[in-house]
Amino acid sequence: QVQLVQSGAEVKKPGASVKVSCKASGYSFTGYGISWVRQAPGQGLEWMGWISVYNGNTNYALNFQGRVTMTTDTSTSTAYMELRSLRSDDTAVYYCARARTGGSWFDPWGQGTLVTVSS
Amino acid sequence: EIVLTQSPGTLSLSPGERATLSCRASQSLTSSYLAWYQQKPGQAPRLLIFGASGRATGIPDRFSGSGSGTDFTLTINKLEPEDFAVYYCQQYGSSSLTFGQGTKVEIK
Repeated sequence: QVQLVQSGAEVKKPGASVKVSCKASGYSFTGYGISWVRQAPGQGLEWMGWISVYNGNTNYALNFQGRVTMTTDTSTSTAYMELRSLRSDDTAVYYCARARTGGSWFDPWGQGTLVTVSS
Repeated sequence: EIVLTQSPGTLSLSPGERATLSCRASQSLTSSYLAWYQQKPGQAPRLLIFGASGRATGIPDRFSGSGSGTDFTLTINKLEPEDFAVYYCQQYGSSSLTFGQGTKVEIK
């Protein structure tokens, strides 16, 4: 079955960077893109951006431009999201989700990765 | 950026009742590019509806979506105990994708 499995929880200090991985299985990895969405504790969903696995094209949300980098490794069917210059308000669960194009719905989602930013 | 406003914020209903959730967009959505997701505590969101009215694989037919332009509705007929959750709408018709703030469907 189609599945996205994310890396484990992270604790980072303010100013540091975090890199979350998302390993795909059960479908043609290069036939879809990957979007990243985050959810702060008790809050709603915030789209961060999308990457085409086929050609590496990206579309980052304005709120994250300059601070986020999304990449993929087709040899391992894994997508990565790196967020730099972390602040306390970056504490959230980060999800990856399969999305056929940059303008598409998300299905399925990874299980989420909790990133805690604290001094 | 297209803003999605969901109402009500919380819906208190009993099992077996019908739930009607609203999602209003700040501008008309291209080709009804709107999706609905269900999220239960501690879980990732799950796709219910895409293209405003298309039901995702494995989703029971008590879930239905409708609407176009700026006004969209998710209807859940005959609520089952497992349907009590938070529901989000999402638009994907612009280059900047956005979500509504969510509607919580709780047991009355």
